[in-house]
Amino acid sequence: DGGITQSPKYLFRKEGQNVTLSCEQNLNHDAMYWYRQDPGQGLRLIYYSQIVNDFQKGDIAEGYSVSREKKESFPLTVTSAQKNPTAFYLCASSMEGRGSPLHFGNGTRLTVT
Amino acid sequence: GQQVMQIPQYQHVQEGEDFTTYCNSSTTLSNIQWYKQRPGGHPVFLIQLVKSGEVKKQKRLTFQFGEAKKNSSLHITATQTTDVGTYFCAGLVPTDSWGKLQFGAGTQVVVTP
Repeated sequence: DGGITQSPKYLFRKEGQNVTLSCEQNLNHDAMYWYRQDPGQGLRLIYYSQIVNDFQKGDIAEGYSVSREKKESFPLTVTSAQKNPTAFYLCASSMEGRGSPLHFGNGTRLTVT
Repeated sequence: GQQVMQIPQYQHVQEGEDFTTYCNSSTTLSNIQWYKQRPGGHPVFLIQLVKSGEVKKQKRLTFQFGEAKKNSSLHITATQTTDVGTYFCAGLVPTDSWGKLQFGAGTQVVVTP
């Protein structure tokens, strides 16, 4: 079955360390996204990519970086510059951009202490 | 600031009762989507509304897009325990050629048997 795979499900890191969250999709979708979810705040867009080798900052990109070297993969690095990194991170993809429905992965819950 | 507001933030419902959650935007939307996130899960796409005044039904769920395309509602009849979760609306704000999908903070629904 097609879908989006995020790994790991839970991740623990010490403050000051960079950490990379994996996101792989086999839906053949062009667009991919990273969202951050905090309690009571809904989903906030970190980065998005419409095509391979191209990505754009979302609303809260500071302290994060991404790459899109392959259509299937869109890893997110949470750097030590992100002041409040503990959150639930969701990767998503869509067949097209511009508001087409999102397919989400199961998410990675990152805890930084 | 957040352009898409959802009310109520929390909804406690007795099993068998009806309830409605509302989504309001400060700007005209190109479309609106609704997602459901079960506790501990990830958001799952439910439906997309595009036309002014559009009404769509999915079994006990009725979705409506306002005439001015600034608000939307989700009405659930005869609530069941399977309806537990957080319901998010997401409006496509036509800011540029890409457009921005703006999520509401969600309505968390608790069903009492």
